[in-house]
Amino acid sequence: EDQVTQSPEALRLQEGESSSLNCSYTVSGLRGLFWYRQDPGKGPEFLFTLYSAGEEKEKERLKATLTKKESFLHITAPKPEDSATYLCAGLFSGGYNKLIFGAGTRLAVHP
Amino acid sequence: GAVVSQHPSRVICKSGTSVKIECRSLDFQATTMFWYRQFPKQSLMLMATSNEGSKATYEQGVEKDKFLINHASLTLSTLTVTSAHPEDSSFYICSAAALSGYTFGSGTRLTVV
Repeated sequence: EDQVTQSPEALRLQEGESSSLNCSYTVSGLRGLFWYRQDPGKGPEFLFTLYSAGEEKEKERLKATLTKKESFLHITAPKPEDSATYLCAGLFSGGYNKLIFGAGTRLAVHP
Repeated sequence: GAVVSQHPSRVICKSGTSVKIECRSLDFQATTMFWYRQFPKQSLMLMATSNEGSKATYEQGVEKDKFLINHASLTLSTLTVTSAHPEDSSFYICSAAALSGYTFGSGTRLTVV
């Protein structure tokens, strides 16, 4: 069964304190790995899609990387406005084009 | 970029009534849309895949007679929660696959009283 697992469940950072969020996935059949940001009471906002091991993408203070078994979302010098839940999702072969979501990491950045 | 519009954003209904939620792709055609349910502090759980012009595919454990899905055009899918009960109270989110990736609506907070 295709699975996506995120860690940690929650993360508290001081403003400026860089860190990484982890997303591990079922190794076989990954077609794409997606990262989203979700604010309370809102739908997920697209951040990145990664397709192959070694791929990296950046946007402002965020950088997403992909290896053969996991993905990382690196947050450099975070600000309080980066506080949100970060979701990763996998698209797998034979999955009928549906995303499988991890449980998310709730990030709180304090001034 | 691709935009998905979802309405209403909030709805309160009485137990036993039905509620319809709309999901529209504004600037692209979506042959497939997805409906999710999200409980507080939990991730998105896929309820069903909505296919234009055909029956929706429901995930295991989702009652198809309770959650009616209609995808009559390439830009509109609707989810109707029939005979709603307090346990149906949740955050419902739709999504569509665009060329740029999967785009999500802003969600609907349903409260059944």
